[in-house]
Amino acid sequence: QKEVEQNSGPLSVPEGAIASLNCTYSDRGSQSFFWYRQYSGKSPELIMFIYSNGDKEDGRFTAQLNKASQYVSLLIRDSQPSDSATYLCAVNMRYYNQGGKLIFGQGTELSVKP
Amino acid sequence: KAGVTQTPRYLIKTRGQQVTLSCSPISGHRSVSWYQQTPGQGLQFLFEYFSETQRNKGNFPGRFSGRQFSNSRSEMNVSTLELGDSALYLCASSPSGLAGLVSEQFFGPGTRLTVL
Repeated sequence: QKEVEQNSGPLSVPEGAIASLNCTYSDRGSQSFFWYRQYSGKSPELIMFIYSNGDKEDGRFTAQLNKASQYVSLLIRDSQPSDSATYLCAVNMRYYNQGGKLIFGQGTELSVKP
Repeated sequence: KAGVTQTPRYLIKTRGQQVTLSCSPISGHRSVSWYQQTPGQGLQFLFEYFSETQRNKGNFPGRFSGRQFSNSRSEMNVSTLELGDSALYLCASSPSGLAGLVSEQFFGPGTRLTVL
């Protein structure tokens, strides 16, 4: 089992729709969860981070965390063509909680069609 | 605040050579992490430095090394380059100084290394 798993996609949604990106992780003790967006040829850009169970909203983005199910998701409301990118889920593993080791999923490619 | 800077942006080397990459974190950030990104393996953690000390290390051979200076700038070195070292090398800066929760990390633009 991979430490952090994401559907590779591509996930295609029409403009204005809600895009739902999912991520599961293997270490039940993980405490920090991050979503990054990466455009082709660019470096990852931090979108959201979440530490506690529940939802966290920032503009059109909502991160959802369920530690019991070891599941974290990202919802993008009113999707725009400019949201087309690869979305990376990153998790801090328990055994490496003294510092900045993040384990990344393989990423989900999102395509928003006009 | 200025973002994370990395130099050089592009590098072409041949097998057997060595290379040094540089990273300047966001002002005030004391933690610098390095990652390797390839199409096949994705983003993989190399190591993390905080206050000039390596705090975490990934599963890479000893040919990959790094260091951090007192001004938090960091360098990574790859010796005896192999074709498989061709990748995008990313540096990430974080304000994190505490054990436990990991603070958010901000990535630089990366150095694209090609080994011929």
